[in-house]
Amino acid sequence: NAGVTQTPKFQVLKTGQSMTLQCAQDMNHEYMSWYRQDPGMGLRLIHYSVGAGITDQGEVPNGYNVSRSTTEDFPLRLLSAAPSQTSVYFCASSYSGSQETQYFGPGTRLLVL
Amino acid sequence: SQQGEEDPQALSIQEGENATMNCSYKTSINNLQWYRQNSGRGLVHLILIRSNEREKHSGRLRVTLDTSKKSSSLLITASRAADTASYFCATDLGTPLVFGKGTRLSVIA
Repeated sequence: NAGVTQTPKFQVLKTGQSMTLQCAQDMNHEYMSWYRQDPGMGLRLIHYSVGAGITDQGEVPNGYNVSRSTTEDFPLRLLSAAPSQTSVYFCASSYSGSQETQYFGPGTRLLVL
Repeated sequence: SQQGEEDPQALSIQEGENATMNCSYKTSINNLQWYRQNSGRGLVHLILIRSNEREKHSGRLRVTLDTSKKSSSLLITASRAADTASYFCATDLGTPLVFGKGTRLSVIA
């Protein structure tokens, strides 16, 4: 199993550009989530999904969209990138919910100029 | 908003010493989890302790949970240079996990 994979590993955007951060897992996990990590702030939840077709907002959802058309994939879309979205983004998954061990991807470093 | 808060923010010890990190939280929880993050990498799960448990062990790791004080501690015994990392507690309130800001542990050889 590859576990949780994220692409790209690093991306530079200009303000106003859009992009999609990819996240995939091959463990047949129902629960997937996106966090951003900023220095001194820990991890903050952006969006999460409890299964295909079901998504919900986390603590910091503004400026981000998600969809869950399949169990395996949970892409995060930045609609119009802003410098405040410069961060490291982590995708995580678990079998059925937050009450279980979360498996994290390696992260995507995003720089918005 | 942050639910769990780790203490201290940073800790530096010599190899072979024990390292203790604490996590305090504000509201009742279903469980509490500890994760490790090596520099530039994703988080790795260490231990999950449920609200009805008081102590769990995994190798050199010992986690305690005191629900009356709303606090947990992570003890790493006989630390090694490879234990150098950031350690996070995460609380489950029946909603998505909420992470603290972490403790940066440096183990000096």
